[in-house]
Amino acid sequence: DIVMTQTPLSSPVSLGQSASISCRSSQSLVYRDGNTYLNWLHQRPGQPPRLLIYKISNRFSGVPDRFSGSGAGTDFTLKISRVEAEDVGFYYCMQATQFPWTFGQGTKVEIK
Amino acid sequence: QVQLQQWGAGLLKPSETLSLTCAFYGGPFSGRFWSWIRQTPGKGLEWIGEIVHDGNINYNPSLQSRATVSVDTSKNHFSLELRSVLAADTGVYYCARGMYASWHIDSWGQGTLVSVSS
Repeated sequence: DIVMTQTPLSSPVSLGQSASISCRSSQSLVYRDGNTYLNWLHQRPGQPPRLLIYKISNRFSGVPDRFSGSGAGTDFTLKISRVEAEDVGFYYCMQATQFPWTFGQGTKVEIK
Repeated sequence: QVQLQQWGAGLLKPSETLSLTCAFYGGPFSGRFWSWIRQTPGKGLEWIGEIVHDGNINYNPSLQSRATVSVDTSKNHFSLELRSVLAADTGVYYCARGMYASWHIDSWGQGTLVSVSS
């Protein structure tokens, strides 16, 4: 299985500041079709996860442009610019390049 | 916008069978995949398996011997069976829909809390 490792596990951030989350995979996420199936999800307490970013850097419908994804191969980053109160919760990277699909352990973003 | 509504028994004893169903409303069946994902205290988010619109089914090898995913397109339902449950299977189970070919999940069910205890 591909292991997804996120850092940091916790990220206190002030309102209006930026937060950055790193995700590293144990092997390349480039699929044979040339695409990289790396997604970012956000989960608030008591709610299901929701998609933010797919294929490294594509924002899902309705996701603010404060969220951006980057990276390649095995190293990926989610950046949240101008953090707002609604951004708190857990963020997960997820790979859909190879079965079984796997998730990072999650990064908790909170307001300090 | 598709909506996913899931249901099933939430309290099980060890060795029993977990059975969950998810109804989908809105959006086509074709061009999509239909997944089950769980979130447990021990392993966090874990992908269980999926059925693709062409009937292909993929399972997590760690659960494959106990899991069955199926779909009934006439009822717009898809289902999960997990046999011989253990305490480690306790967690929140989600049904989800995704986009075939871009392989991202764009809709989630509300989640079902399943507790396995003797």
